[in-house]
Amino acid sequence: AQKVTQAQTEISVVEKEDVTLDCVYETRDTTYYLFWYKQPPSGELVFLIRRNSFDEQNEISGRYSWNFQKSTSSFNFTITASQVVDSAVYFCALLPGHSGAGSYQLTFGKGTKLSVIP
Amino acid sequence: DAGVTQSPTHLIKTRGQQVTLRCSPKSGHDTVSWYQQALGQGPQFIFQYYEEEERQRGNFPDRFSGHQFPNYSSELNVNALLLGDSALYLCASSTDWVNEQFFGPGTRLTVL
Repeated sequence: AQKVTQAQTEISVVEKEDVTLDCVYETRDTTYYLFWYKQPPSGELVFLIRRNSFDEQNEISGRYSWNFQKSTSSFNFTITASQVVDSAVYFCALLPGHSGAGSYQLTFGKGTKLSVIP
Repeated sequence: DAGVTQSPTHLIKTRGQQVTLRCSPKSGHDTVSWYQQALGQGPQFIFQYYEEEERQRGNFPDRFSGHQFPNYSSELNVNALLLGDSALYLCASSTDWVNEQFFGPGTRLTVL
């Protein structure tokens, strides 16, 4: 069974602070994919990143960076110099990496609500 | 290039009624997935459609059914509505099951 845990329910930071959102996953698969999505107050989920289990390189995209550690089953997301526009709910999600029955279900965590205070 | 579109935006129904939600995928996408998102929770997978067939189903009762049309658009039907069906229903599309899914704005269903 697939499981994603986002232990931080809500986080508040002051603008320009750095913030890290934690994601821990459970899977028996050796091949899998991890995702992060952002859900602003408007409600539409916005895709941020996809990472496959064979690629443990950290990734940076502007103020966003992701730290994937297979040894601890974690895929954490850091926002540097946070801005008010970063306020949203962030979801981590897990997808099995093989085709076939039971493999097409994207499993989401419960999300972390980030509030950036001006 | 239009993204994923869903209709209607909001819907209010009473217990026992039936509802149909619609989704048009992003251009070039052939795989459509449906999710239910209760307030304060993450999206829960309902099912995925590919080549007009249900490819996988999540842990939802048979009251939830769907359809995919030859143009890849999709419908989600819910029969015998319960109060607990009140949620945001999200449709997502992708080019392949392993690729990132693009989500629509959702349909907010309220069951009274």
